Amino acid sequence: NAGVTQTPKFRILKIGQSMTLQCTQDMNHNYMYWYRQDPGMGLKLIYYSVGAGITDKGEVPNGYNVSRSTTEDFPLRLELAAPSQTSVYFCASSYSSANYGYTFGSGTRLTVV
Amino acid sequence: AQTVTQSQPEMSVQEAETVTLSCTYDTSESDYYLFWYKQPPSRQMILVIRQEAYKQQNATENRFSVNFQKAAKSFSLKISDSQLGDAAMYFCAYRSAVVAGNQFYFGTGTSLTVIP
Repeated sequence: NAGVTQTPKFRILKIGQSMTLQCTQDMNHNYMYWYRQDPGMGLKLIYYSVGAGITDKGEVPNGYNVSRSTTEDFPLRLELAAPSQTSVYFCASSYSSANYGYTFGSGTRLTVV
Repeated sequence: AQTVTQSQPEMSVQEAETVTLSCTYDTSESDYYLFWYKQPPSRQMILVIRQEAYKQQNATENRFSVNFQKAAKSFSLKISDSQLGDAAMYFCAYRSAVVAGNQFYFGTGTSLTVIP
């Protein structure tokens, strides 16, 4: 059982480049999330999805886009990368009931230079 | 939006001793859940313990227990018999049962060092 799989684990981007962070879960979770983690700031929600075809903005969505064409996949797209997007990105999934915790991916460390 | 505050950026404990990590939160909701997550240097987020707000009894998982004070909006984590493997960043998290998406709100974390 793979859980939540994130790729890549590390990436260096140049300013203005674009990339997609991949996230796949095999637990049939309806809810999926993207967070970014900056030092001393905890985790901030970028986007979330409550099911295939449904996405919504979180606290810090600017500069990102998502799609959810299937239950399993929730990719995060960075367009025109900026140094402010240097961070560690986590994908997470969950059952819809709030008493469940998240299952997290292993994170992607992204550096924009 | 709900806020979660961890006022101790860093803590240290001697191996085999007990340490308590503090967490407070602000909410007007009555239905919610509270969690503690551990993040070791591997970066993987690991669920440590969960507390339902409607339960008065404090949750316990082996050496980990919480002190949940609902009226004070306080949710501290106690680690007993600390082990070297407990060294990590610990995040307190609030999960709404009413906000769309049931998203988590995280504190800024407490870095725990275990001294041999």
